[in-house]
Amino acid sequence: GAVVSQHPSWVICKSGTSVKIECRSLDFQATTMFWYRQFPKQSLMLMATSNEGSKATYEQGVEKDKFLINHASLTLSTLTVTSAHPEDSSFYICSASGQLSTDTQYFGPGTRLTVL
Amino acid sequence: LAKTTQPISMDSYEGQEVNITCSHNNIATNDYITWYQQFPSQGPRFIIQGYKTKVTNEVASLFIPADRKSSTLSLPRVSLSDTAVYYCLVVQGDSNYQLIWGAGTKLIIKP
Repeated sequence: GAVVSQHPSWVICKSGTSVKIECRSLDFQATTMFWYRQFPKQSLMLMATSNEGSKATYEQGVEKDKFLINHASLTLSTLTVTSAHPEDSSFYICSASGQLSTDTQYFGPGTRLTVL
Repeated sequence: LAKTTQPISMDSYEGQEVNITCSHNNIATNDYITWYQQFPSQGPRFIIQGYKTKVTNEVASLFIPADRKSSTLSLPRVSLSDTAVYYCLVVQGDSNYQLIWGAGTKLIIKP
């Protein structure tokens, strides 16, 4: 399957700072990228869907001004957690896919964010 | 919108066949069903995808009855390394599609 990377794999930051997470599709052009959040022992929670060159579509309850998503190219999407607080500590996972509903999502390895 | 429901957890033993069923009563005509596997602190990994009847690949089979209101992921001869969480996903719609994830089934394989 296709390879998707995330950077960093883990990050610790102070409350109030912003953190940027990168998601790259290494061997295919990802028209669509998804961002998920996962709390310990809980299910995946879709945060937003981004299409290259367009504004991201956020799921209900996800603050778009807090979780800034940029999908400027077919191989890179970024998620910036602005003014992070301890409750934002979570496992953030991206996935990359094509445009069709039948296209497989290829997931990155995830980024563990800890906000102190 | 479709809702996907799967058992919270299952246990089995090495060498057994394991079947995990996902219910999706409101699945629409063009919706596809996909299953993913997730190990702790890793991103999910694609297992198999299907639309109807039976699909088989090198790691699993997916059985979908004619009414498509459920699907069953079948893992043949499981090993300890198959201990993971398995997610059912229904992708609903075409161009503006919705992702309907199940809550995941924690599968524990015992020696």
